[in-house]
Amino acid sequence: NAGVTQTPKFQVLKTGQSMTLQCAQDMNHNSMYWYRQDPGMGLRLIYYSASEGTTDKGEVPNGYNVSRLNKREFSLRLESAAPSQTSVYFCASSARGRFGYTFGSGTRLTVV
Amino acid sequence: QKEVEQNSGPLSVPEGAIASLNCTYSDRVSQSFFWYRQYSGKSPELIMSIYSNGDKEDGRFTAQLNKASQYVSLLIRDSQPSDSATYLCAVNDPSGNNRLAFGKGNQVVVIP
Repeated sequence: NAGVTQTPKFQVLKTGQSMTLQCAQDMNHNSMYWYRQDPGMGLRLIYYSASEGTTDKGEVPNGYNVSRLNKREFSLRLESAAPSQTSVYFCASSARGRFGYTFGSGTRLTVV
Repeated sequence: QKEVEQNSGPLSVPEGAIASLNCTYSDRVSQSFFWYRQYSGKSPELIMSIYSNGDKEDGRFTAQLNKASQYVSLLIRDSQPSDSATYLCAVNDPSGNNRLAFGKGNQVVVIP
């Protein structure tokens, strides 16, 4: 049971570079989410997809874009990375909010 | 903006003691409540969910919910060094879209 798989696990980018973080879940969940976690800030929602075909902004969407490619996959793109985007990124999925989220193992991103 | 508050600072408990964590939430209509455990450098892991007023026990963990006072707590009995982690409280957003609001977490350190 893979659950939620995120790639890559670590990444170093130079300011201005772009990259896409990949997330896939094999639990047939409808909803998927992207969070960032910074020391003292807790988990902050970047974007989410309540169901296949829909995406919505969360608390901190600026500088990011997302694609819900199909029911399984939800990617996060940084078009022009900035040092302020240095963080740990978590993808999560949920069947329904009543059952909580399952998180991926995270991507540790450093922008220099 | 739904708010979930975990105001206590780091909690140090001796091995074998009870660790008590509290969480308050702002939206009276919330229906689902969760506790996640996050080890340093790892992703959050769901350890307890509670939906009704009262206590719910699972092994050494007890979740307590009081909807009238809008708080949820987590008790860890017979604390072990392996319980040393950050504990995140999460509450469903009743406006829909399967969203959870997370507190910033409480660090627990169990001292052998």
